[in-house]
Amino acid sequence: VQLQESGPGLVNPSQTLSLTCTVSGDFISNSDNYWTWIRQQPGQGLEWIGYIYYSGDTYYNPSLKSRVTMSVDTPKSQFSLKLTSVTAADTAVYYCARKRGDRNFDYWGQGTLVTVSS
Amino acid sequence: SYKLTQPPSVSVSPGQTARITCSGDAFPKMYAYWYQQKAGQAPVLVIFKDYERPSGIPERLSGSTSGTTATLTISGAQAEDEADYYCQSADTTGTYVVFGGGTKLTVL
Repeated sequence: VQLQESGPGLVNPSQTLSLTCTVSGDFISNSDNYWTWIRQQPGQGLEWIGYIYYSGDTYYNPSLKSRVTMSVDTPKSQFSLKLTSVTAADTAVYYCARKRGDRNFDYWGQGTLVTVSS
Repeated sequence: SYKLTQPPSVSVSPGQTARITCSGDAFPKMYAYWYQQKAGQAPVLVIFKDYERPSGIPERLSGSTSGTTATLTISGAQAEDEADYYCQSADTTGTYVVFGGGTKLTVL
């Protein structure tokens, strides 16, 4: 199983951050899995952003919920993150990960650094 | 909001035993998970469902829970174990994921 994040590395303040995670070696439609976004601000710990089921059901961190949208594209084996109205505080390495049943986050992408700056 | 509390740092001499704790009110109702993150790398799952080890994880890493505290034990610590370790669980509804603040393990 491999996951790979992609998207702009630089986003202007107040704009929307958009990232995509491409999954190989597993099916987005696998009913055991939730597809997850996690971020890590520079020098800080891990923060769960949310996850999406293949059906489109989503679960978001309450602290980010008003700005987050996740979607899934099963034919492309991809899932995506949109975070609106970004500020410098959203500068972070963004990881996508697979949550598989009770094993939780057993596969992770390598992470992608997104910097919010003008 | 629900929180998991870890010590910021733990030091251990090579060959000795290190214990990293994680306190949270949802234990033991909810499972504890542990991730190892080496510098510049993505986290790796090392313990799931309190004490189970994924394939490929050394037996010297073990997990346990007691009351409201989960513990990651590294027996016979090696230089390669030096990393940040994060505990993770969920709120009592099982819906929302929470990570601890992380513990930097130094082997010296």
